[in-house]
Amino acid sequence: SQQGEEDPQALSIQEGENATMNCSYKTSINNLQWYRQNSGRGLVHLILIRSNEREKHSGRLRVTLDTSKKSSSLLITASRAADTASYFCAYNQGGKLIFGQGTELSVKP
Amino acid sequence: NAGVTQTPKFQVLKTGQSMTLQCAQDMNHEYMSWYRQDPGMGLRLIHYSVGAGITDQGEVPNGYNVSRSTTEDFPLRLLSAAPSQTSVYFCASSYSRGAGTGELFFGEGSRLTVL
Repeated sequence: SQQGEEDPQALSIQEGENATMNCSYKTSINNLQWYRQNSGRGLVHLILIRSNEREKHSGRLRVTLDTSKKSSSLLITASRAADTASYFCAYNQGGKLIFGQGTELSVKP
Repeated sequence: NAGVTQTPKFQVLKTGQSMTLQCAQDMNHEYMSWYRQDPGMGLRLIHYSVGAGITDQGEVPNGYNVSRSTTEDFPLRLLSAAPSQTSVYFCASSYSRGAGTGELFFGEGSRLTVL
């Protein structure tokens, strides 16, 4: 399969805690993106990190990229119940955008 | 702007029937694509297009056809539906011609059941 792999598959935390999700991919990339999907809805773009960047921030999100290990992580700080969703990484491979299998995050109030 | 609009939202088909899932975007995006989402499988690319008149296959193209006669529309045709095509289908578009070079905007999905 060309798909990236994400772990954990599911994560349950309390409000206020941090959530970390990891993504591994198989080929050289130009950039890597993270998306969020609320239950029953379409995906929404969160952040894009380029291959020459090691870390990027957007609000409570922090994304890191390690091209030597072909991996990326998404950190959500001070999580809220509204952060409950599935999170997907995505990367370009041969002109196609390939998605990971996703991490299902549950944030309990 | 309406963004990316998919119709129908729900559809039930019998094995062997054909149908078309419609996708339209009003953002003048060059790149459009179709994904299917199955439990535990994430999203898999079916077909994509980098502009009007240009289409190409993704990871799982068998059983599906696409065409791109206009910038706005990118319909997905199921030629002879099979139970294995039961899935949620997402259309997505981007201002960038190259996949992965820019943000993808997704529709709300079309839920298809094949009996």
